[in-house]
Amino acid sequence: EMQLVESGGRLVQPGGSLRLSCAASGFAFSNYAMTWVRQAPGKGLEWVSAIKGSGGSTSYADSVKGRFTISRDNSKDTLYLQMNSLRAEDTAVYYCAKAQLFEVPQGWGADYWGQGTLLTVSS
Amino acid sequence: DIQMTQSPSSLSASVGDRVTITCRASQNINNYLNWYQQKPGKAPKLLIYVTSSLQSGVPSRFSGSGSGTDFTLTISSLQPEDFATYYCQQSYNTLWTFGQGTKVEVK
Repeated sequence: EMQLVESGGRLVQPGGSLRLSCAASGFAFSNYAMTWVRQAPGKGLEWVSAIKGSGGSTSYADSVKGRFTISRDNSKDTLYLQMNSLRAEDTAVYYCAKAQLFEVPQGWGADYWGQGTLLTVSS
Repeated sequence: DIQMTQSPSSLSASVGDRVTITCRASQNINNYLNWYQQKPGKAPKLLIYVTSSLQSGVPSRFSGSGSGTDFTLTISSLQPEDFATYYCQQSYNTLWTFGQGTKVEVK
């Protein structure tokens, strides 16, 4: 069974750093792009970042570019999100999701999601 | 960035109703439009990908249509388990964006 389990969320002071992890199982992790999506309390979904299966290509939302770094360790089937210079507006549940390239018709979507981990940025 | 605008932000409906949610992109995104369902306290679930393809296991009462900048999610006969929030999302480029969501509530 395909599973994604996020961890690492906690209370952090503004300006602090934190690394989130997402452990994958039940699929060939290295073959798939992965993505992080966040949801502030009571708000909608916001795409954060994505990384290709090889780890060689990454992308970021403008709101986190230069502060967050996505990475992966395919030997450990684990996705990471390193977050620096944290702000109150980064407070959210962070979801990792598997990005699927559908072939017919062709297009990308997030087809499996973890349960999320809560980051709170507050003094 | 491509902006996605959903309407309405919320709607009230009864079991058996036909429900339609629209999503408009700020530029042409071809057919690269997905729909997700999210229930309180749960992760989103992919319903429809590339405008109109039903994800495996999703009931056929869900359907999607559109192209270019204007898209629609239709629930043909609303069921009790369909009360949730629905999001559109574009994957036209590598910087994905979501709509603000449409909450479907009990009338």
